[in-house]
Amino acid sequence: AQSVTQPDIHITVSEGASLELRCNYSYGATPYLFWYVQSPGQGLQLLLKYFSGDTLVQGIKGFEAEFKRSQSSFNLRKPSVHWSDAAEYFCAVGAPETGANNLFFGTGTRLTVIP
Amino acid sequence: DSGVTQTPKHLITATGQRVTLRCSPRSGDLSVYWYQQSLDQGLQFLIQYYNGEERAKGNILERFSAQQFPDLHSELNLSSLELGDSALYFCASSPFRGNTGELFFGEGSRLTVL
Repeated sequence: AQSVTQPDIHITVSEGASLELRCNYSYGATPYLFWYVQSPGQGLQLLLKYFSGDTLVQGIKGFEAEFKRSQSSFNLRKPSVHWSDAAEYFCAVGAPETGANNLFFGTGTRLTVIP
Repeated sequence: DSGVTQTPKHLITATGQRVTLRCSPRSGDLSVYWYQQSLDQGLQFLIQYYNGEERAKGNILERFSAQQFPDLHSELNLSSLELGDSALYFCASSPFRGNTGELFFGEGSRLTVL
């Protein structure tokens, strides 16, 4: 069974600083990988996804993520954080061969942005 | 706005009661998913329906049930409620039956059981 670990519960960065949120997964093959963002009082919004191909994927709002098979990681990055990026970020994994669309989510990383 | 509508947004009820949460998917989406978000369990997949039929089942309790109607809206029924059922319940939709990963989430229904 697949699982996702987000080791950082809470991260605080200064506005304009770079950001990296960590995500490690456990799965027997190459899973589908996703990052979602949840703003306060809102539902989850897809930032980006990786299915195959180029291991560096670009998403919305200036985010990117890199799939590293050797490290079973899919870390999310942004070169310069804006105050509006303060939210909770979830990494998720899907299992391609099951044909099912139910995603398994990590526990989330809460991002605080300070001026 | 994702296009997924959930009602009610907030619900407070007592232990032992039964509630129904409603979800209208995005126009044209055939798949509906239910997730439970709680502080201790995080985001847990409950169940998926595709075009009226159950497609996948996750960590859904026997006290919970769901269905998808011909107009594609879905309802999640929670019965014999316990304090631990207090959570945010999300509905998500997708145009597809299988695994594309792109789910469109509603804003959730916050259930408080007293």
